[in-house]
Amino acid sequence: AQKITQTQPGMFVQEKEAVTLDCTYDTSDQSYGLFWYKQPSSGEMIFLIYQGSYDEQNATEGRYSLNFQKARKSANLVISASQLGDSAMYFCAMREGRFAGYNKLIFGAGTRLAVHP
Amino acid sequence: NAGVTQTPKFQVLKTGQSMTLQCAQDMNHNSMYWYRQDPGMGLRLIYYSASEGTTDKGEVPNGYNVSRLNKREFSLRLESAAPSQTSVYFCASSEGTGLATEAFFGQGTRLTVV
Repeated sequence: AQKITQTQPGMFVQEKEAVTLDCTYDTSDQSYGLFWYKQPSSGEMIFLIYQGSYDEQNATEGRYSLNFQKARKSANLVISASQLGDSAMYFCAMREGRFAGYNKLIFGAGTRLAVHP
Repeated sequence: NAGVTQTPKFQVLKTGQSMTLQCAQDMNHNSMYWYRQDPGMGLRLIYYSASEGTTDKGEVPNGYNVSRLNKREFSLRLESAAPSQTSVYFCASSEGTGLATEAFFGQGTRLTVV
């Protein structure tokens, strides 16, 4: 079974508008962490934001926020005021508590975001 | 600030050839990983090393071997390359054992097997 599901293969948004990238996850652990990474066309993986399963507040980092709905097992990334430089592939990832000691990260298939001027 | 360095960046192999992908990190991290990235499948874990001297299989280990040479270096070997191993390979490292531990990635190696 897929641990991380990103149902949007591609998204586009107008510059300066907000966009939400969906991520749902599957785990039986009570303790887990959720990550979003950005991969621009140059290929590197850039860490964006982290949310812990016990965090009561939604994580925010500048223009990025994570809409965490624990009961629905969703961790959607919200990018506000999109910029042309936000065009990239975005990956959702999870680390389950039982694997924390081994630091294993499981990734979704990714969503390609295109920002139009 | 080198971070995680992978060599080579590009490689073309013929079916049946062998090669080793090299990875080195200068952040004194304990844990290192090898992922492969294929279109529509995200990044899949091949092997990981929680600490120097240990290695474990990930989701897709078949056809690969790894060596944790020392704390800095973690190599991935393809003994007999197959076209199905055409992919982009990423090495990553991380420190600590907490859930929030960030993984740092290399620039990737684009491998084509013909």
